Amino acid sequence: GNSVTQMEGPVTLSEEAFLTINCTYTATGYPSLFWYVQYPGEGLQLLLKATKADDKGSNKGFEATYRKETTSFHLEKGSVQVSDSAVYFCALSAGDQGAQKLVFGQGTRLTINP
Amino acid sequence: EAGVTQFPSHSVIEKGQTVTLRCDPISGHDNLYWYRRVMGKEIKFLLHFVKESKQDESGMPNNRFLAERTGGTYSTLKVQPAELEDSGVYFCASSQGLNRATYEQYFGPGTRLTVT
Repeated sequence: GNSVTQMEGPVTLSEEAFLTINCTYTATGYPSLFWYVQYPGEGLQLLLKATKADDKGSNKGFEATYRKETTSFHLEKGSVQVSDSAVYFCALSAGDQGAQKLVFGQGTRLTINP
Repeated sequence: EAGVTQFPSHSVIEKGQTVTLRCDPISGHDNLYWYRRVMGKEIKFLLHFVKESKQDESGMPNNRFLAERTGGTYSTLKVQPAELEDSGVYFCASSQGLNRATYEQYFGPGTRLTVT
């Protein structure tokens, strides 16, 4: 079945550090890939997405590239800020139409210290 | 435009009691999803409505869970009777349509359910 594995947390970094959160997936067909973020006290928000191989999703300085050969979608940011502290979820949606259930990883809690 | 809303934000009940969670999707969104996150683990799919019809309920854990979406607007998720392992955060999401231009899911803030 479809599954997502992301790096265990928590992750603690200093402000302006480089961030990588690893995400790998197992899926049949050609899934769409997503990163969602949950800030404290809020719901999940879509951070970025990619719908086909070699696509790069980007938003708010975050980037992730859909790598079919390594079945990965690692999240990166060159210089993190305190406001990036949140829980990050990698997810996939399988199926041709896209309006399918999301399969999530276990989430990675990120804390950025000033 | 109002986002997805959920009520209550937090519920504490005793084992054996009944709880009903409510989700109001974004107006005009045909697709409504329920997910839950138990004990800090991954968020898991429960079911998917298209308008008032259940499109996929493969994630519903057992028959103690009943979801409805009368009239294709808001949805309720009832747990009866609640068990300790039902504790977690229940998320609702909605999306406008079925094609890749409209399938983005917008999530509500979640309902934290604690069963004691």
